[in-house]
Amino acid sequence: KAGVTQTPRYLIKTRGQQVTLSCSPISGHRSVSWYQQTPGQGLQFLFEYFSETQRNKGNFPGRFSGRQFSNSRSEMNVSTLELGDSALYLCASSLMAGKTDTQYFGPGTRLTVL
Amino acid sequence: AQSVTQPDIHITVSEGASLELRCNYSYGATPYLFWYVQSPGQGLQLLLKYFSGDTLVQGIKGFEAEFKRSQSSFNLRKPSVHWSDAAEYFCAVGPTYSGNTPLVFGKGTRLSVIA
Repeated sequence: KAGVTQTPRYLIKTRGQQVTLSCSPISGHRSVSWYQQTPGQGLQFLFEYFSETQRNKGNFPGRFSGRQFSNSRSEMNVSTLELGDSALYLCASSLMAGKTDTQYFGPGTRLTVL
Repeated sequence: AQSVTQPDIHITVSEGASLELRCNYSYGATPYLFWYVQSPGQGLQLLLKYFSGDTLVQGIKGFEAEFKRSQSSFNLRKPSVHWSDAAEYFCAVGPTYSGNTPLVFGKGTRLSVIA
């Protein structure tokens, strides 16, 4: 079974631009979560989607948005990029089958903002 | 506010020695608790999690963790460390309504293993 896939793996943008990152969950998984990882702030939760609905949202500005499609694939968008948005963006998926479920992470998308 | 503290930024242990990584959390109620490992250039992998019941949780790769409510701690242990355990370890918490989704992470503890 294929793991969580994130595209692109690496991205370079300039300040003020916008970017869209994509996440394909493991087949059958209906929950997708996004995280930002930076050396300074560490790992921070962005948002979680389940069956196309946002279930949880972290403490990020409105420039960060996401959505989930009917096939469970998810995208996150960052508008008006700032230098501080440079980070590794991680996506994770799970079945949402209960307490014994496990969340699986993708390899991440490395975003560099110049 | 919810928070997770991992007091040790970097720990070095000898191969074969025992390991304990500390984690303290601040949360209004009993949360779900997680430990993850991240090897260089790789994503996170769940080692174990606590959601209820037995306070000693067994995980993958020979790791275990003990939830101590009175100390708000969830320390990770391994009796004998292998060189392949060298990695970054993250403790995380999540409210019970978030299910398997951790919402707050510690800053991480980097583990080095020497021969």
